[in-house]
Amino acid sequence: QKEVEQNSGPLSVPEGAIASLNCTYSDRVSQSFFWYRQYSGKSPELIMSIYSNGDKEDGRFTAQLNKASQYVSLLIRDSQPSDSATYLCAVNGGMDSSYKLIFGSGTRLLVRP
Amino acid sequence: KAGVTQTPRYLIKTRGQQVTLSCSPISGHRSVSWYQQTPGQGLQFLFEYFSETQRNKGNFPGRFSGRQFSNSRSEMNVSTLELGDSALYLCASSFGLGGNTGELFFGEGSRLTVL
Repeated sequence: QKEVEQNSGPLSVPEGAIASLNCTYSDRVSQSFFWYRQYSGKSPELIMSIYSNGDKEDGRFTAQLNKASQYVSLLIRDSQPSDSATYLCAVNGGMDSSYKLIFGSGTRLLVRP
Repeated sequence: KAGVTQTPRYLIKTRGQQVTLSCSPISGHRSVSWYQQTPGQGLQFLFEYFSETQRNKGNFPGRFSGRQFSNSRSEMNVSTLELGDSALYLCASSFGLGGNTGELFFGEGSRLTVL
């Protein structure tokens, strides 16, 4: 079982819609969760971090964490074509993983004009 | 301030050769992490160095090695190259341990092609 799993997509949504990106992780003791965005041909950049259960909002982005279900999600409201990118979920691996930052394979998002 | 700088950006090697990649972190950052990115496997963690010491290591064979210098610059080396080593190698710097902070700043990567 992969430590951090994401649907590879592509997830296609029309402009203005809500894009919902999901991620599950296997290590129950993970404490920190992050979303990175990677445009085609570019390097990943951090866009959100979340540490406790519930929602965290930053502009059009909302990160959601449910530790009991080992589930993290990223909602993008009012999606724009410029949001088209691959979104990588990253998890602090916890003690069993020596606290490495482990990335999922990413979900490709396409926002149609 | 200047970002993370990786050299070379592109390189082509043949099987059996060895390669050394270089990474200069953001000024003041003491941690450098290395990742391998391939279409099939995504971002795979190689190792992390902090204050010249390897703090974490991923599940890669011993052909992959690295080091960090006193100025925080880091190098990684791959010996006896195999076709499967073809990938984008990303270096990321962070102020504290990357695994703890989660806030990594990535370089543009070194794209290695093994023929």
